[in-house]
Amino acid sequence: QVQLVESGGGLVKPGGSLRLSCAAAGFTFSDYSMSWVRQAPGKGLEWISYISSSSTFTNFADSVKGRFTVSRDNAKNSLFLRMTGLRAEDTAVYYCARAQEQANQLDYWGHGTLVTVSS
Amino acid sequence: DIQMTQSPLSLSASVGDRVTITCRASQSISSYLNWYQQEPGKAPKLLIYAASGLQSGVPSRFSGSGSGTDFTLTISSLQPEDFATYYCQQSYSTPFTFGPGTKVDV
Repeated sequence: QVQLVESGGGLVKPGGSLRLSCAAAGFTFSDYSMSWVRQAPGKGLEWISYISSSSTFTNFADSVKGRFTVSRDNAKNSLFLRMTGLRAEDTAVYYCARAQEQANQLDYWGHGTLVTVSS
Repeated sequence: DIQMTQSPLSLSASVGDRVTITCRASQSISSYLNWYQQEPGKAPKLLIYAASGLQSGVPSRFSGSGSGTDFTLTISSLQPEDFATYYCQQSYSTPFTFGPGTKVDV
């Protein structure tokens, strides 16, 4: 069955960097676009990034543009989110999700990894 | 960017009730509208895609409708496991923005 498992979260100081990973299993990873979505404590969902199946296209929310980069390694069935210049407002649970081509709907989600930005 | 609004932001209902949640986009998004359910402490779950497509495994009491700017999620007969927060999301153009969520409780 489809599985997405995020890792790499933790406590980081303001201005610091962190790299999140998402390990995919149970489907042909290289066939699917992927997204990252985050959720601040007690808040709603915020879409933050998209990467196409072959890494040709990437896109970011304005809130993270220029600070976050997304990449993938299709040979290793892995998705990454590199976060730099972290701010307190980046504190959130970060989810990776698989996107279906039909309507870019996110049909499978990982369990999330918590990133806390605090001094 | 396309802004998404939902109404109501919260509602109280009982088991067996018919529940309707509305989502509105700031500009036309055709049918690129998805609905997700999130229970506390869990990842979101896709319910409806492309405005009216029922995701595999989702009970038929969930349905979606609409196109352009106005969309609706309907739960025909609320079940105990349906008490959760519901989010709409436009996938017409990036950023693929979510609505603020509608919390359904007892």
